[in-house]
Amino acid sequence: LAKTTQPISMDSYEGQEVNITCSHNNIATNDYITWYQQFPSQGPRFIIQGYKTKVTNEVASLFIPADRKSSTLSLPRVSLSDTAVYYCLVGDIRQAGTALIFGKGTTLSVSS
Amino acid sequence: NAGVTQTPKFQVLKTGQSMTLQCAQDMNHEYMSWYRQDPGMGLRLIHYSVGAGITDQGEVPNGYNVSRSTTEDFPLRLLSAAPSQTSVYFCASGRDTEAFFGQGTRLTVV
Repeated sequence: LAKTTQPISMDSYEGQEVNITCSHNNIATNDYITWYQQFPSQGPRFIIQGYKTKVTNEVASLFIPADRKSSTLSLPRVSLSDTAVYYCLVGDIRQAGTALIFGKGTTLSVSS
Repeated sequence: NAGVTQTPKFQVLKTGQSMTLQCAQDMNHEYMSWYRQDPGMGLRLIHYSVGAGITDQGEVPNGYNVSRSTTEDFPLRLLSAAPSQTSVYFCASGRDTEAFFGQGTRLTVV
C-alpha cells in the first residue's frame, strides 16, 4: 500500500480557495487516489476520486500530475462548514470500498 | 435507505466484559469493514469482509472477532474488554469505488 503524506493542519478564511497536497511517491500502477472528509463526531464521507489529470465534482477538484507522485485537493471558496479533517488515501480501485488505510489527515480550520 | 446503522451509539464497559457492536447496512454492498479512531488520530482498520462468509484481519485485529453470516450485518465482538480499547468505532460498507460510514460507537472501558 502506498504511504501518503499530508500537512497536519491548514488555516483559511471564508471565501478563499484551499489546496491540500498529498504526497504518494510509491503509488502503484493500479492505485487510485481518494479523498474523504470527516466532521467531528461523524464518520468519514467520500469527496472525490481520480487516477490522473483532473477530476471535478460539485464539491471539489482533484489535480494529479503526470507522474502521479502527488495530488492536490482543491476546495473552491470555502465556508465555515468546510472545517473538517481531510484524508488522502491511495489504493487499488478494486478495494476502494473496503480495507481502507487512513493516515492522520489534514485538519482544515476555516475562520470568518 | 438508512445506510449504515451502528448500535449502540455509546457504551461503557468494565475491564474484562465482553460485548458486540452491531453494524447493519441496507445498500446491498458486498464490502464491510470496521475501524477504530483514537483521539487526534486517523482511522485504523480492524477487520474487513469482501462478502458473506469471508473475513480478514486489518491493521489492529487483536482483541476483536468478526463474522459475516449475511450481506447486511457485520458485528464486531470484544472478547475481554481492556482500557486500551477505549475508542470510537466506525463501521463502513462499500462498493468498488467508495465506502460509506456509520455514525460511530463511542466505547469507554473502565
